[in-house]
Amino acid sequence: GNSVTQMEGPVTLSEEAFLTINCTYTATGYPSLFWYVQYPGEGLQLLLKATKADDKGSNKGFEATYRKETTSFHLEKGSVQVSDSAVYFCALSEYNNNDMRFGAGTRLTVKP
Amino acid sequence: ETGVTQSPTHLIKTRGQQVTLRCSSQSGHNTVSWYQQALGQGPQFIFQYYREEENGRGNFPPRFSGLQFPNYSSELNVNALELDDSALYLCASRSQGNGYGYTFGSGTRLTVV
Repeated sequence: GNSVTQMEGPVTLSEEAFLTINCTYTATGYPSLFWYVQYPGEGLQLLLKATKADDKGSNKGFEATYRKETTSFHLEKGSVQVSDSAVYFCALSEYNNNDMRFGAGTRLTVKP
Repeated sequence: ETGVTQSPTHLIKTRGQQVTLRCSSQSGHNTVSWYQQALGQGPQFIFQYYREEENGRGNFPPRFSGLQFPNYSSELNVNALELDDSALYLCASRSQGNGYGYTFGSGTRLTVV
């Protein structure tokens, strides 16, 4: 079945540090890939997405590239801010499947 | 766009009771899904509704049921509550075929005691 594995947290960085959160997936077909962010006490917000191999999703300085050869969709940001502190979820969805599969989430804390 | 709104935001129930959670989908979205998010975990798919019919279900027992109404609002009903049902319940909506991205509500925090 389809599944997502992302690096365990928590991750603690200083402001302006480089961020990488690893995500790999297993899928039977050709899924779309997503990163969602969850701030304390809130639901999930779509951060970025990629719908086919080699696509790069980007938003608010975050980027992730859909790598079919390594089945990966790692999240990166060149310079994190305190306001980026949140839990980040990698997810996949296939057109013929009704559900979106999420990773367990990675908590990021950015210190001033 | 009005976004996805859920009610109530918090709820405490006793084991064995029944609960109904409500969701108002984003305007124009005809597909709604419900997820259960246990503390420290990723969301787990419960089921999805499209045009008032259930068209997908995750690994949850029949005591988890739902409804979708003509105005695309929806309900999640849970019977015979168990302590393990304590979680954040998330509603998510999308238009069929919009690139598969969902808009999530802020969730209902259910505590079963």
